[in-house]
Amino acid sequence: NAGVTQTPKFQVLKTGQSMTLQCAQDMNHNSMYWYRQDPGMGLRLIYYSASEGTTDKGEVPNGYNVSRLNKREFSLRLESAAPSQTSVYFCASSGGWGADTQYFGPGTRLTVL
Amino acid sequence: QKEVEQDPGPLSVPEGAIVSLNCTYSNSAFQYFMWYRQYSRKGPELLMYTYSSGNKEDGRFTAQVDKSSKYISLFIRDSQPSDSATYLCAMTPDNYGQNFVFGPGTRLSVLP
Repeated sequence: NAGVTQTPKFQVLKTGQSMTLQCAQDMNHNSMYWYRQDPGMGLRLIYYSASEGTTDKGEVPNGYNVSRLNKREFSLRLESAAPSQTSVYFCASSGGWGADTQYFGPGTRLTVL
Repeated sequence: QKEVEQDPGPLSVPEGAIVSLNCTYSNSAFQYFMWYRQYSRKGPELLMYTYSSGNKEDGRFTAQVDKSSKYISLFIRDSQPSDSATYLCAMTPDNYGQNFVFGPGTRLSVLP
């Protein structure tokens, strides 16, 4: 049982380049989330998808776009990367509204030069 | 003032010690409180989940919530080197995943 998987694990970009972070879950969960984690700060929500076909902005959505491709997959796109987007990105999923059911992926470590 | 405050540590304790980790918060609307453990270069994993005030125990772990003081704690008894990790508190007013607010985490080292 893989749970939540993310690709790639590491990425280095130059300012202005674009890339897509991939996330997939095999737990048949309805809700999926993208967070970023920066030193000295808590996890901050970028975008979330409460169910297949819907997406909504979180706390820090600027510079990002998302796609809920199907129930399993939720991707995060950086159209024009900036050094301020250097961070560790986590995808999570949950089966319902319960706060006790959010499962995190292993993360993508992104550096923008 | 940040909405959720947490001492970043690092906190170093000898094996077998009782560890106390704490968070304070400012939003009195928070009702659901979580503790996550995050090993180095891994994703967070849920340890404890508590609704409203009170205590919850699970093995060596005890979570306490004092809503009147806006203060939550995680106690680890008989700490082990395998408990070395960063501990994140999180809270939400309404049990909806998109409204979680996370603390920055406390890094714990349990020395053999």
